[in-house]
Amino acid sequence: ILNVEQSPQSLHVQEGDSTNFTCSFPSSNFYALHWYRWETAKSPEALFVMTLNGDEKKKGRISATLNTKEGYSYLYIKGSQPEDSATYLCAHQKSNQFYFGTGTSLTVIP
Amino acid sequence: NAGVTQTPKFQVLKTGQSMTLQCAQDMNHEYMSWYRQDPGMGLRLIHYSVGAGITDQGEVPNGYNVSRSTTEDFPLRLLSAAPSQTSVYFCASSSGTGGLGYTFGSGTRLTVV
Repeated sequence: ILNVEQSPQSLHVQEGDSTNFTCSFPSSNFYALHWYRWETAKSPEALFVMTLNGDEKKKGRISATLNTKEGYSYLYIKGSQPEDSATYLCAHQKSNQFYFGTGTSLTVIP
Repeated sequence: NAGVTQTPKFQVLKTGQSMTLQCAQDMNHEYMSWYRQDPGMGLRLIHYSVGAGITDQGEVPNGYNVSRSTTEDFPLRLLSAAPSQTSVYFCASSSGTGGLGYTFGSGTRLTVV
C-alpha cells in the first residue's frame, strides 16, 4: 500500500489570494501523479496527469509541479475565486493502480 | 456522451442482504475500478479490472466480488452486507495507460443498517 499524503488537510483563503498545497508520495517505482478537483455532491474531475520529473502543468489559474526524485507535487491556485472551493485530491499511479491521498479541502471566502 | 454511469445513487440495505452496484462506461476504456470513500480515509481501491475477463483485488476487497464480462460493464457485488460497508462507492474508468486520469461515476451512497 502506497502512502500518499496531502497537506494541509483544509485551507480557508480570501478571494483573490493565491494558495498552494502539497502531495507527497513514495519516489520509488513512480509512474504518474494525478490531481483531481472534487466539488461537494459531485464526482472527482481530472485536472492534471504528470509523469516526468520537473513537469509543470497549467490550466487557467491552476498549475502543478512535480518532483519525482524527492516524491512531491505542488498545486498552485492564483487569485482564488469562490468557485475554486473544492477538495483537491492527488493520486499516485503505480502500474494499473491509483493510490489516493485524503485531499485538501479549500474554501475561498468572498 | 454518458461517460461512467453508476446505479443506484442511493441504497439502504439490511445487514446480511446482498446487492449489486452497477457501473457502465461508453468510452471503450480498458481499466475500470471500484473505490469506497469514507470520512478521513480518502478513496480506497476495492477491486479493479484491466480488461474484459480480468479482475484483481485492491486494498479493501473483503466482502465484495466483481466480474468483467464485457468492456463496458463492471458490477460490484456485496455478498452479505455489513454496517462496515456503509460508504460512498465510486466506479471509475481510464484508458489503457491512465494518461488522462480516471473518469468517475457520480457515486452510490450505501447505508447498511
